Amino acid sequence: KNEVEQSPQNLTAQEGEFITINCSYSVGISALHWLQQHPGGGIVSLFMLSSGKKKHGRLIATINIQEKHSSLHITASHPRDSAVYICAARNYGGSQGNLIFGKGTKLSVKP
Amino acid sequence: NAGVMQNPRHLVRRRGQEARLRCSPMKGHSHVYWYRQLPEEGLKFMVYLQKENIIDESGMPKERFSAEFPKEGPSILRIQQVVRGDSAAYFCASSPVRAVSDTQYFGPGTRLTVL
Repeated sequence: KNEVEQSPQNLTAQEGEFITINCSYSVGISALHWLQQHPGGGIVSLFMLSSGKKKHGRLIATINIQEKHSSLHITASHPRDSAVYICAARNYGGSQGNLIFGKGTKLSVKP
Repeated sequence: NAGVMQNPRHLVRRRGQEARLRCSPMKGHSHVYWYRQLPEEGLKFMVYLQKENIIDESGMPKERFSAEFPKEGPSILRIQQVVRGDSAAYFCASSPVRAVSDTQYFGPGTRLTVL
């Protein structure tokens, strides 16, 4: 079992739909990252969370430390949101670069 | 302010050759991280460096791989005697300071193909 699990693996949505991507982890963490990998391969850091909730535009990330679970929500999805979304956990006590990555959720938003 | 730069973007090597991957962090960033993404697999941490220091190399293969971040110039990930299994995308990221709250900024990656 991976220490960081994402679901679903693949997600197809219609433009405008509300999207949720889930991330569960089995290790104690000090921070959790959400990343977006574009079809061309480039990676953008979306959020880093250690508690609560963060919002940026149409993206919302939440984390529940007790349940070891985080979610990434996209409101009013658009075809340009099509990408692979990756969560990564920083192991508690580990160095700040030593992230454990999920396998990613491939999102396709159809017009 | 230019982002994180990596070069080359694509690198082809024959088995047994050496591969040198370069990463120039964002201006003002003194922390560099290297990650590897094997085909059809997730990202894996390799090494975390500060200027002239290796902070955490727990993800680096024990042989053939080395990394440095000199006082002047880019960070270098060096792979000696490459094998086909080294074919992957190698990403570096940088951040300004060592703190839990620091976001990492990723480079575009170097795609290494070993023939």
